[in-house]
Amino acid sequence: QTVVTQEPSLTVSPGGTVTLTCASNTGAVTSGYYPNWFQQKPGQAPRALIYSTDNKHSWTPARFSGSLLGGKAALTLSGAQPEDEADYYCLLYYGGAWVFGGGTKLTVL
Amino acid sequence: QVQLQESGPGLAKPSETLSLTCTVSGASISSSNYWTWIRQPAGKALEWIGLIYTSGSTNYNPSLRSRVTISLDTSKNQFSLKLSSVTAADTAVYYCAREYSIWGQGTLVTVSS
Repeated sequence: QTVVTQEPSLTVSPGGTVTLTCASNTGAVTSGYYPNWFQQKPGQAPRALIYSTDNKHSWTPARFSGSLLGGKAALTLSGAQPEDEADYYCLLYYGGAWVFGGGTKLTVL
Repeated sequence: QVQLQESGPGLAKPSETLSLTCTVSGASISSSNYWTWIRQPAGKALEWIGLIYTSGSTNYNPSLRSRVTISLDTSKNQFSLKLSSVTAADTAVYYCAREYSIWGQGTLVTVSS
């Protein structure tokens, strides 16, 4: 069974930098997994932030960036704002099927 | 701009079939490569259900494959989800999405007798 693992929770100070990661139990995450990242605030639908590892949507704030780091997909937030407090989910591609990670609850405090 | 809206019964009985429709506005359903369904039980993570390419071919979550059907109606600019033999474990907010970029607001489906 394919499992995608994210940090359950992280805390960042306002203005600070934090990196969220996304790992696969099948091995190192590469660009071929087409990592996507989403932000979800309470009571709202998820909002897409990053696709195909490091591509931003037109609405993605510049402070968010995607990359591959140490065999994982990564989402880096530089200059955290209070409004960035949310749940973040990654999504990976496994040759026909897609699998979401368990999500990271990010607190800005 | 492109908008998606899920619709369908908010309540389903155990063992019955859950049916939802996603109506696309602001763009032709043929303008994107594929359309997806995702769900989220209360307080839990997102779960990928499956997708349909505009060619009509489909991919499903292996854990749901025996119960899921996704179809496309280009004349109505809609795509649909059917999930058979539902149980309480299928209670969730169901989202439709254009690939993974644009999402509907979601619709809560409760499975209960």
